[in-house]
Amino acid sequence: EAQVTQNPRYLITVTGKKLTVTCSQNMNHEYMSWYRQDPGLGLRQIYYSMNVEVTDKGDVPEGYKVSRKEKRNFPLILESPSPNQTSLYFCASMSSLAGGNEQFFGPGTRLTVL
Amino acid sequence: DQQVKQNSPSLSVQEGRISILNCDYTNSMFDYFLWYKKYPAEGPTFLISISSIKDKNEDGRFTVFLNKSAKHLSLHIVPSQPGDSAVYFCAASIDSWGKLQFGAGTQVVVTP
Repeated sequence: EAQVTQNPRYLITVTGKKLTVTCSQNMNHEYMSWYRQDPGLGLRQIYYSMNVEVTDKGDVPEGYKVSRKEKRNFPLILESPSPNQTSLYFCASMSSLAGGNEQFFGPGTRLTVL
Repeated sequence: DQQVKQNSPSLSVQEGRISILNCDYTNSMFDYFLWYKKYPAEGPTFLISISSIKDKNEDGRFTVFLNKSAKHLSLHIVPSQPGDSAVYFCAASIDSWGKLQFGAGTQVVVTP
């Protein structure tokens, strides 16, 4: 089954404790992206990657890091989480060849930073 | 400043009637417009899209209309079904390379 998976699905942590949210897709997609969803703001892009070893900032990159060492994986790293990073996070992937911007989303990771 | 706006946070409609969701945008460079549907505890799923060279795109019960001069698009769902109850996000991009700007979403509730 074609899918985007994220782990963990739920995470409660404390300020300053480094964490990683993993994202993996099995569709051989070149493009991957991270979004956060906050009430009244919709989804905002954090980082994206056009292909392996190619990453770039989205609209709200502060406090986040990413890496793209393999095509299928795109982890999101919070080196020193703060309460304002409490949010619902989505990973997405897309085939660059297909065009049209149809992105496939993972199920989401709900993060709470105390 | 949000470039894509959905001014109605919620919409209630009777089963069998038409649902109309609206979306406004400010950036005239947007070239692709998409609608995503989201159920609780799931990620958004792509519903329908339209490029700026068209003013209408239809897929089954779903039709998207684009009015570029008014910077407005709408999604029509006819007839509405209980399974359509979800949050609908409008999104737009300047090109087809993935950088999407999303609206805040509209919660649709279809009542029997």
